[in-house]
Amino acid sequence: QKEVEQNSGPLSVPEGAIASLNCTYSDRVSQSFFWYRQYSGKSPELIMSIYSNGDKEDGRFTAQLNKASQYVSLLIRDSQPSDSATYLCASKDSSYKLIFGSGTRLLVRP
Amino acid sequence: EAEVAQSPRYKITEKSQAVAFWCDPISGHATLYWYRQILGQGPELLVQFQDESVVDDSQLPKDRFSAERLKGVDSTLKIQPAELGDSAMYLCASSPGLSFWTGDFSGANVLTFGAGSRLTVL
Repeated sequence: QKEVEQNSGPLSVPEGAIASLNCTYSDRVSQSFFWYRQYSGKSPELIMSIYSNGDKEDGRFTAQLNKASQYVSLLIRDSQPSDSATYLCASKDSSYKLIFGSGTRLLVRP
Repeated sequence: EAEVAQSPRYKITEKSQAVAFWCDPISGHATLYWYRQILGQGPELLVQFQDESVVDDSQLPKDRFSAERLKGVDSTLKIQPAELGDSAMYLCASSPGLSFWTGDFSGANVLTFGAGSRLTVL
């Protein structure tokens, strides 16, 4: 199993819907998790971080961490076409190196 | 807003040639990272510097890749000779300091990425 795994997608949702992006992780990474958004041809930008079990909300974004099931998710409420991008899940391994998943492509249909 | 500067943005070269990428991190950031991102994959860490010292280069193909950060500020990543499989986006990132690396997360210690350097090897 890879340290951080994501479904490559694409995940297609209509404008205004909730987009749910998921990430599973192995025992080889830490309990700190990060969600990066990457537009096509651009570099990643941090949108959310979470390191405690439960939910963390920031505007339209909610990150959820479930340590017992080893998954972390990102919910985007009221999805907009401008949210169409690849979302990268990341965590740190035992040497504190930031490990990225392969990303999930999100398409928000107008 | 402070940015991580990278150049060149695009580079096309033939295999067996040498290429070099340059990165200037956000002023005052002690930690600098070079990542490689192949199309359709997530970024993979090649090398991490703390000031001028390498703290992780376990994934750097040392037979052809080299990286330096001589004065602990800007950095250069070199590939010689380039191979077809090196075609990728090379991303530089920086973060303020050691606390992120040691796992002590704070809101200020996050990675900021540059715009990247896209390499095509023919």
